[in-house]
Amino acid sequence: GESVGLHLPTLSVQEGDNSIINCAYSNSASDYFIWYKQESGKGPQFIIDIRSNMDKRQGQRVTVLLNKTVKHLSLQIAATQPGDSAVYFCAENMARDTGRRALTFGSGTRLQVQP
Amino acid sequence: EAGVVQSPRYKIIEKKQPVAFWCNPISGHNTLYWYLQNLGQGPELLIRYENEEAVDDSQLPKDRFSAERLKGVDSTLKIQPAELGDSAVYLCASSFGGGLYNEQFFGPGTRLTVL
Repeated sequence: GESVGLHLPTLSVQEGDNSIINCAYSNSASDYFIWYKQESGKGPQFIIDIRSNMDKRQGQRVTVLLNKTVKHLSLQIAATQPGDSAVYFCAENMARDTGRRALTFGSGTRLQVQP
Repeated sequence: EAGVVQSPRYKIIEKKQPVAFWCNPISGHNTLYWYLQNLGQGPELLIRYENEEAVDDSQLPKDRFSAERLKGVDSTLKIQPAELGDSAVYLCASSFGGGLYNEQFFGPGTRLTVL
C-alpha cells in the first residue's frame, strides 16, 4: 500500500490467521529484494530475501512471492502470532545515480495481531 | 555476540545547535551505513563506508551533515547546525562486505528531536 506520512496502512488479523503484506517496487532493473520487520524502538530486522531469478522463496512461517511483470512483492506469514506485530518494509537493491546499488525501502505496512 | 551499538538513544536539541551520533558496528563488519528514517517511512541511505572510505555519500546533505570513520571501525555522524526538519531517527547498520547479498544488521537508532 501507499504510505502517506504518518498514516501507515494497517493490516489487522486474528492470531492464528495467515497474513499477506503487499509491496509495489519501483525499478524494473532491481534484482534483489528483502523484507524487514521493525518493532517499536528497534531497527529493521531481516526476515527473508529473494533474487529476481526466483518467483517464490520460503522460510520458517514466511513466504515471499515476486511478480516481476507487475513489479509486485508480497510477504505471507502463516499462523500469525502476537509477536509478529510490527511494521514491515520491503526493500529493493536498486542502482543509484552513482552507479552503485543501495537498499531502497518502500513504504511500510503495520501488522496488528489481535489475540 | 553484540549487535550494532548506537548512542545516544535519544537526543533533544534546539535548532541551530550541533549534534553528533555514534555507531559501533558488529565486530568484523567492514561496511557501515547511516540511514535517516522519518516517522512512518522507510529508512533512506545517507552514507556508506567500506572500511574508512565513504563509497556512497550522494544523499548526504553536505552543507550541514558530515560523517567520519577514521579507523574503519566506529563512526560518527554530525549535523551542524540542526534544523527542525532534521527531527527523525538516525539508524546505523553494518554488514560483512558491501556486496549485493550481504545482510545488513541495524542498530536501534538515535531519535533526534529538534525544537
